[in-house]
Amino acid sequence: EPEVTQTPSHQVTQMGQEVILRCVPISNHLYFYWYRQILGQKVEFLVSFYNNEISEKSEIFDDQFSVERPDGSNFTLKIRSTKLEDSAMYFCASSELGTDTQYFGPGTRLTVL
Amino acid sequence: AQTVTQSQPEMSVQEAETVTLSCTYDTSESDYYLFWYKQPPSRQMILVIRQEAYKQQNATENRFSVNFQKAAKSFSLKISDSQLGDAAMYFCAYRGNTGNQFYFGTGTSLTVIP
Repeated sequence: EPEVTQTPSHQVTQMGQEVILRCVPISNHLYFYWYRQILGQKVEFLVSFYNNEISEKSEIFDDQFSVERPDGSNFTLKIRSTKLEDSAMYFCASSELGTDTQYFGPGTRLTVL
Repeated sequence: AQTVTQSQPEMSVQEAETVTLSCTYDTSESDYYLFWYKQPPSRQMILVIRQEAYKQQNATENRFSVNFQKAAKSFSLKISDSQLGDAAMYFCAYRGNTGNQFYFGTGTSLTVIP
């Protein structure tokens, strides 16, 4: 069964550094999402992306964040200058056009020191 | 904003027994979708079951079923004949009819006792 994959599984970075988290959505899916889960808290929506542009974003998704689909398979989340509070598990998800179910990747644990 | 509440941070069940995980939500929308996801220790979040709010019939997937009470805004998950592989964190999620974002509860950690 097709799955969403994410790399790396764990990323450690210094505060102020840029990080790029990578996702490969399910191949026939057209909607892509990023969520994050700070330890002990809810999974929170960050952004959704369709047709090469952001379709929705939350208040969390400020100017420090950006998303890109650099080629036909990858979907990336960039954090320009990481803060300690960006430490979290970041989940990528994808869904087919016209459906409501999202399929999640295993997550990338980001640790900002 | 929509909120999803899971009031049971932890639950345990004996193997082969039945357990019910609770979820309530708050919304002003009349049409929406509800989901239960399972997140085993390996971290991949897996869809367990989904319910469309306009359908009165409760969704069922093998040993998993829901009790959807629209008026009460309640969406509980029943796991019958619990198995060791059911041990995981279970998240309840809401998606409205406009927009694609999911709203999650805080999760319930289910332990299955052999």
